[in-house]
Amino acid sequence: DGGITQSPKYLFRKEGQNVTLSCEQNLNHDAMYWYRQDPGQGLRLIYYSQIVNDFQKGDIAEGYSVSREKKESFPLTVTSAQTNPTAFYLCASSDRFNEKLFFGSGTQLSVL
Amino acid sequence: RKEVEQDPGPFNVPEGATVAFNCTYSNSASQSFFWYRQDCRKEPKLLMSVYSSGNEDGRFTAQLNRASQYISLLIRDSKLSDSATYLCVVTANAGKSTFGDGTTLTVKP
Repeated sequence: DGGITQSPKYLFRKEGQNVTLSCEQNLNHDAMYWYRQDPGQGLRLIYYSQIVNDFQKGDIAEGYSVSREKKESFPLTVTSAQTNPTAFYLCASSDRFNEKLFFGSGTQLSVL
Repeated sequence: RKEVEQDPGPFNVPEGATVAFNCTYSNSASQSFFWYRQDCRKEPKLLMSVYSSGNEDGRFTAQLNRASQYISLLIRDSKLSDSATYLCVVTANAGKSTFGDGTTLTVKP
C-alpha cells in the first residue's frame, strides 16, 4: 500500500542533542513538508521541498534542518538550537505543491 | 490577526444533530480550500476540498464565500464517530498552506 511512514513514533531528546526524524513516502509525490503541532493549536510549517535537492524554509525553521537527497525521503533534524522542541511533528506529501496533503502518523518529541 | 481563524469550540452536540463550523481567512489571493479531520494524537486526514459552487459528500456539505472570505462545513445527522477536531486549510496561489487551529466537536449519545 502507498503511504507515508514516519519514525520513530516517540522520541526523547537530551539537552544539547541533535535528533533526526525520518519520513519516507512511496506515493511518488514531488512535494514534501514538515509541520509542527503544539497542543490545542494548528499546524505550523517548518520546511518544505518541491523537488529533489531543493527545500525552503517555512514559518518556523529556526533550530531545524532538512535534506532531500531522494524523492522518497525528507528527514528532519531538530538541532540543539531549538530550545523548545517538545511537540508533535507531522510529515506530509502532495502530488503537486500545495495540493491535497497526505500525512504520516507523526512523531511525538519530548525533552528529557 | 491570524491568517486563518476558526471558532475553537468545543461544540458538544447530541447524536443526530446538525452542526456547522465556520472559518475565515485574511488573504484575498487564496486559491484552494480544504477541511481536514484530526483525531486525538493522530495525523490529519483530508475530509473535503471546498469549491466555489459548494460541494456535498454524504452528510457533509462545504461552502465557500469568496466575497466574505469564509468557508463553512455542515455536518448533518451527527454520529458518535464524527467526534474529532476539524481543521480549516487555506492555500494561496503558489504559496504555503495555512492551517486554522481547529474546531473540536464532541457528539454525545
